[in-house]
Amino acid sequence: AQSVAQPEDQVNVAEGNPLTVKCTYSVSGNPYLFWYVQYPNRGLQFLLKYITGDNLVKGSYGFEAEFNKSQTSFHLKKPSALVSDSALYFCAVRDMNSGYSTLTFGKGTMLLVSP
Amino acid sequence: ETGVTQTPRHLVMGMTNKKSLKCEQHLGHNAMYWYKQSAKKPLELMFVYNFKEQTENNSVPSRFSPECPNSSHLFLHLHTLQPEDSALYLCASSQATSGGPNEQFFGPGTRLTVL
Repeated sequence: AQSVAQPEDQVNVAEGNPLTVKCTYSVSGNPYLFWYVQYPNRGLQFLLKYITGDNLVKGSYGFEAEFNKSQTSFHLKKPSALVSDSALYFCAVRDMNSGYSTLTFGKGTMLLVSP
Repeated sequence: ETGVTQTPRHLVMGMTNKKSLKCEQHLGHNAMYWYKQSAKKPLELMFVYNFKEQTENNSVPSRFSPECPNSSHLFLHLHTLQPEDSALYLCASSQATSGGPNEQFFGPGTRLTVL
């Protein structure tokens, strides 16, 4: 079985400050990990993924995420937040040993960046 | 988001109506997915198709009937729905390589309201 937890329903940050959106996961084997963003009235957009190798993954729009195997976490980060980053963020996981491409998503974290 | 298109974008239907949602992907993928997104709940995977074959059905009620005539098109046929079926229905596609870390690409969704 695979699962994802996003412990925060909402994260508030001021523009220009660093942001972190938290994600922890559970898989029986090794994980593939993903972050997606959803803007209002839009579908989910892929931001970045962790496959293997370097624990720090860089993605679109200046976002990055750090894989921590011992803490089973994959937190999303950005050094300097923009108001336009305000959106709903989803973490997703897939066990490398699971068939095909089924992802399990978290419930999402709303990021609000104030001017 | 032009890689995966969904029609209609909005749909209002009565409980006795029959309607269909359409999804088309222009990315050359061979896996397609239907998800249900309800407020404050994790994304719910409904159906998965790989190479036009249904490979996953997550205990979805029979009032939802998927159809995948080819790798580029996916339909969700709806009949005798309930008000609690009101949600955003998202279609996604990906490469279907078994065991691969293939990210999914999402359409904009159909906002369904059941009266």
